[in-house]
Amino acid sequence: AQRVTQPEKLLSVFKGAPVELKCNYSYSGSPELFWYVQYSRQRLQLLLRHISRESIKGFTADLNKGETSFHLKKPFAQEEDSAMYYCALSDGSSNTGKLIFGQGTTLQVKP
Amino acid sequence: EAGVTQSPTHLIKTRGQQATLRCSPISGHTSVYWYQQALGLGLQFLLWYDEGEERNRGNFPPRFSGRQFPNYSSELNVNALELEDSALYLCASSRELTNEKLFFGSGTQLSVL
Repeated sequence: AQRVTQPEKLLSVFKGAPVELKCNYSYSGSPELFWYVQYSRQRLQLLLRHISRESIKGFTADLNKGETSFHLKKPFAQEEDSAMYYCALSDGSSNTGKLIFGQGTTLQVKP
Repeated sequence: EAGVTQSPTHLIKTRGQQATLRCSPISGHTSVYWYQQALGLGLQFLLWYDEGEERNRGNFPPRFSGRQFPNYSSELNVNALELEDSALYLCASSRELTNEKLFFGSGTQLSVL
């Protein structure tokens, strides 16, 4: 079954601490992985995609096919990083238009 | 650029009624996606429209339907409403035939009483 698992509902860290938001997936094909973020009172928006291999707002994520993971990392958390983060997966070999989302993790960065 | 717009913001219906939700994509985007975000269930893929055609649908009953108009705006219709249809319905748009980057609207909160 196709599934995205974000094991933590809430992750609370202090400003300046490293952050790792976990994402594991179950998919038999060739997946494309994404991280979407929703800041307070804002719309859900794309943060980054694994195929871009980019760093956005200091966040990076590496696709580990052996561990079927796509964890989101940032070395030094900022208060403005507080938001809801969703990991999502799509079929990389055929365009179905469908994204499978995890349940989301709320990141709380304390001052 | 103007973002994805959805209307109404809130909708209250009673069980058995029909609900119509509307979405206008970003200018230049031809694909429209609908997602349901029910409490505790996360975002669930509902429908995908592109160039006026339904391209894919999620695991939802046929009473969830929709359409896309020539101007690429879209409607989601939910017939015979049930209590468990209460959810936030999100619309997203993207450039043609790709979900590499979705732009989401603010959603319509549907409450079924």
